[in-house]
Amino acid sequence: DAGVIQSPRHEVTEMGQEVTLRCKPISGHNSLFWYRQTMMRGLELLIYFNNNVPIDDSGMPEDRFSAKMPNASFSTLKIQPSEPRDSAVYFCASTKRGGGTGTDTQYFGPGTRLTVL
Amino acid sequence: AQSVTQPDIHITVSEGASLELRCNYSYGATPYLFWYVQSPGQGLQLLLKYFSGDTLVQGIKGFEAEFKRSQSSFNLRKPSVHWSDAAEYFCAVGLFDRGSTLGRLYFGRGTQLTVWP
Repeated sequence: DAGVIQSPRHEVTEMGQEVTLRCKPISGHNSLFWYRQTMMRGLELLIYFNNNVPIDDSGMPEDRFSAKMPNASFSTLKIQPSEPRDSAVYFCASTKRGGGTGTDTQYFGPGTRLTVL
Repeated sequence: AQSVTQPDIHITVSEGASLELRCNYSYGATPYLFWYVQSPGQGLQLLLKYFSGDTLVQGIKGFEAEFKRSQSSFNLRKPSVHWSDAAEYFCAVGLFDRGSTLGRLYFGRGTQLTVWP
């Protein structure tokens, strides 16, 4: 199994530019999560999808952030326009829901380290 | 509101010594509890999880954790630490969403483990 795949692994951009982060969940998983990790706030959930439908986007910082999941094998997190305070590591995780109590485990990708200058 | 507290930001132990990492949670219902480990530049790897049943949970790499409801704690232990255990460790509590399946995770701020040779 390839695990959760994220691209790019590193992104350096200038303030005001659009940034798109990509995630491919584990095949057969039907929930996908986007987390952000910063020194100030630690690991926090931005948004998650069940069966490609956004369920909880309460962690999305503001309208500059948007996430989509057009199909079961692909999701994007877009920041437009980007700001220096968006610099962080962005993780994608996936899980298979409905396997019964105790089987839901979130598997994390390697993350995308974003630097906004 | 749910929260996870890891009181120790940084712990240093000698190789071969025992280890205990503390985790306290605040959650109104029976929690789903997790320990993840993060090596530098890597994503998060699940060490172990607790859903119900036996309060002593065994995980990978020789780790175990004990759920104590009366103390709202889920401390991680290892009897003999190896140099390769040096990493950052995160405790998390999982919440149910509609459908009674696992949704978002709330993470503690992490404990950085240094292992002296």
